[in-house]
Amino acid sequence: GAGVSQTPSNKVTEKGKYVELRCDPISGHTALYWYRQSLGQGPEFLIYFQGTGAADDSGLPNDRFFAVRPEGSVSTLKIQRTERGDSAVYLCASSLNIGPQYEQYFGPGTRLTVT
Amino acid sequence: AQSVTQPDIHITVSEGASLELRCNYSYGATPYLFWYVQSPGQGLQLLLKYFSGDTLVQGIKGFEAEFKRSQSSFNLRKPSVHWSDAAEYFCAVGADAGGTSYGKLTFGQGTILTVHP
Repeated sequence: GAGVSQTPSNKVTEKGKYVELRCDPISGHTALYWYRQSLGQGPEFLIYFQGTGAADDSGLPNDRFFAVRPEGSVSTLKIQRTERGDSAVYLCASSLNIGPQYEQYFGPGTRLTVT
Repeated sequence: AQSVTQPDIHITVSEGASLELRCNYSYGATPYLFWYVQSPGQGLQLLLKYFSGDTLVQGIKGFEAEFKRSQSSFNLRKPSVHWSDAAEYFCAVGADAGGTSYGKLTFGQGTILTVHP
């Protein structure tokens, strides 16, 4: 079956611009996660959703970052006034339900470059 | 707060040699532990996981890992490495329902594996 998909695969934007990154989870998965992976580092948690609501957004670095999942399926990560330090690969994952016992399936990521 | 340390940034082995990748974790209770592999251009793929019970767990692609509570370690092993195993490997810890981090994974910084023919 289809896995987690993310669009675009690559995004280059200028400093100060607004960007949206999209994640399509596996059908039927209620939990959706966003992670950020900087060069040479492991993925860092940003936010996760259970259904439509953000269950934990403690990893969002500041208020320029925002994510939504209005219908409990597709999610969009939104970054305002991008900075060069936002350059990273943004990973999305989904799981059947919340909890470490449910495997998280990762998408291929969106590589964001802020020039 | 939970944390994961992978002491080796880069490891090189010859094809057919054995492999051990180190992982140390910090977590107050019994952890949920994972190893993921990331190949270039690919998403993270789960190799194996430990929740409870037998401390030696088997995973896909011939990998295994051993949970040692006394050492706070969860090292990944493979008896004979194949060239296709070249990738980056991440150890991760997840929290149980009693923790404030329930639902999210904390990853180590990764170990890059190079395999020489």
